[in-house]
Amino acid sequence: TQLLEQSPQFLSIQEGENLTVYCNSSSVFSSLQWYRQEPGEGPVLLVTVVTGGEVKKLKRLTFQFGDARKDSSLHITAAQPGDTGLYLCAGTMNRDDKIIFGKGTRLHILP
Amino acid sequence: GAGVSQTPSNKVTEKGKYVELRCDPISGHTALYWYRQSLGQGPEFLIYFQGTGAADDSGLPNDRFFAVRPEGSVSTLKIQRTERGDSAVYLCASSPTGGNQPQHFGDGTRLSIL
Repeated sequence: TQLLEQSPQFLSIQEGENLTVYCNSSSVFSSLQWYRQEPGEGPVLLVTVVTGGEVKKLKRLTFQFGDARKDSSLHITAAQPGDTGLYLCAGTMNRDDKIIFGKGTRLHILP
Repeated sequence: GAGVSQTPSNKVTEKGKYVELRCDPISGHTALYWYRQSLGQGPEFLIYFQGTGAADDSGLPNDRFFAVRPEGSVSTLKIQRTERGDSAVYLCASSPTGGNQPQHFGDGTRLSIL
């Protein structure tokens, strides 16, 4: 059973379009993190959200943590080819717990 | 460099052999994590160290897998009697004190069992 379900698994869109990817669970998380991973490299942290309803922006990326702390979304505005990569959500249930990863959304932006 | 370093970057060995994978965390980070990532999947948790001790080893798949961190810095993941199903990228991450803090990942060791 996957604790964190990410959707879609794959997404291929044209440069300039907007997109949203989702991370859902039936469990409550104390925090959720979003990472981006490129081939041959380890994941790189983009953001951590800890408060239900929290919204964080990182340039063209907007992250939201659900009110009930069970889900999160990542919205990209005006996607660029450099946004291509594997986007992973990861969460901790309790403050001192290990981090659990979803399977990721593989995003491909076509020039 | 100042990041997490993993060696070797690639390891190819025959089924049944013993392998050791090394992780050098960021200096001063007390928390160290090992993950396994198969093709098309997210990282799968294996074990978490807080200092020298394993705080959570619930992700180790069986007793062929073992990890140590004797001095609270470098860690070694050891796999005995390797099987083809062990082939994956093994990732190491460290964070200042664990919990919600950002994890800094190495680039992984790609292990291939023939």
